[in-house]
Amino acid sequence: NAGVTQTPKFQVLKTGQSMTLQCAQDMNHEYMSWYRQDPGMGLRLIHYSVGAGITDQGEVPNGYNVSRSTTEDFPLRLLSAAPSQTSVYFCASSDSERLPQHFGDGTRLSIL
Amino acid sequence: GENVEQHPSTLSVQEGDSAVIKCTYSDSASNYFPWYKQELGKGPQLIIDIRSNVGEKKDQRIAVTLNKTAKHFSLHITETQPEDSAVYFCAANPMNYGGSQGNLIFGKGTKLSVKP
Repeated sequence: NAGVTQTPKFQVLKTGQSMTLQCAQDMNHEYMSWYRQDPGMGLRLIHYSVGAGITDQGEVPNGYNVSRSTTEDFPLRLLSAAPSQTSVYFCASSDSERLPQHFGDGTRLSIL
Repeated sequence: GENVEQHPSTLSVQEGDSAVIKCTYSDSASNYFPWYKQELGKGPQLIIDIRSNVGEKKDQRIAVTLNKTAKHFSLHITETQPEDSAVYFCAANPMNYGGSQGNLIFGKGTKLSVKP
């Protein structure tokens, strides 16, 4: 049982590039979410999904897109990377509670 | 919207002592208050949570208390051990955030160091 798996663990991008952060969970959880963590701050919600085909915006959604075609996967897309998006990104999932219970180990993203 | 304040930002204790981390929240409608432990290079781990209909909850060396009137909740760790060293985050669930449930507002974290 792998839990929540995020790839890649590290990534460096140039301003304007696009990329997709992958998140997969093997617990058959309906609820999944993406957070970003910046130095000295708590986690802030980017987007979340309450089930396949359903997504919604969180606190800081601008510059990010998500989709949920399967229960297992919830990718986060950066459309045109900006230095302000340099951060550590965490994906989370939960079963009956619509609140994050299990987090992945994060993707550390630097944008130059 | 909801705002969660967490204190202190850093806390150093001797092994065996107790540690207390406090959080305050602003949205009186918040009804769920989890605590997460984050070790270096890892994602946050849910360690304990409390709901607004309960005043205290314990799990071995960890306890959380909630004062709804004062809108604050605290994490208590007794008999601290070096492996308790980590960053701890509190959070609150604002019921009316953007019209959606299921969101959490996090505090900024407390770095706990337990010295052997």
